[in-house]
Amino acid sequence: DIVMTQTPLSSPVTLGQPASISCRSSQSLVDSDGNTYLSWLHQRPGQPPRLLIYQISKRFSGVPDRFSGSGAGTDFTLKISRAEAEDVGVYYCMQGSQFPHTFGQGTKLEIK
Amino acid sequence: EVQLVESGGALVQPGGSLRLSCTASGFSFSDYWMDWVRQAPGKGLEWVANMRGDGTQKDYADSVRGRFTISRDNAKNSLYLQMNSLRPEDTAIYYCARHVVYCFDSWGQGTLVTVSS
Repeated sequence: DIVMTQTPLSSPVTLGQPASISCRSSQSLVDSDGNTYLSWLHQRPGQPPRLLIYQISKRFSGVPDRFSGSGAGTDFTLKISRAEAEDVGVYYCMQGSQFPHTFGQGTKLEIK
Repeated sequence: EVQLVESGGALVQPGGSLRLSCTASGFSFSDYWMDWVRQAPGKGLEWVANMRGDGTQKDYADSVRGRFTISRDNAKNSLYLQMNSLRPEDTAIYYCARHVVYCFDSWGQGTLVTVSS
């Protein structure tokens, strides 16, 4: 199975300031079709996860443009340009390039 | 609007069985792969099983293979997870999720399964 490793596991951020989360996979996520199926999810306390970013950098419908994704191969990053109060919660990366699909352990974003 | 509503979670003894349901609305259910993903209390996400839209393909996580069975009834827009030989480590919130382009674009609110004596 592909292991997804996120850093940091906890990230205190000041409102209006940027935040960044890294995700590294144990194998390349480039699929045989040439695409890379790396997505990011956000889970607020007591809520189900929701999709933010798919295929490394494509924002899902309704996701604010302060969220952006980048990376290639085995190294990926989620960036929040200016953190807002509603951004608190846990962020997960997920790989869909190989079965079983696997998730990172999560990064908890807290407002300072 | 896409909606997924899970039901069937309960407290069950080790070795027992449970059947979860997920009712979908707002999209053409039979066109989509559907998945079950679980989250143990205070822990991260774990993919459990999935099934192709026409029901011809399915797969399971090693941790549940041989004990859990995924199925669907497209006439009822419903996805199911039959869970047998339950273990304490199966305790989790079970989410139903729609699978699109190798990611999960819609999630239900989840249903809690507790395995304990």
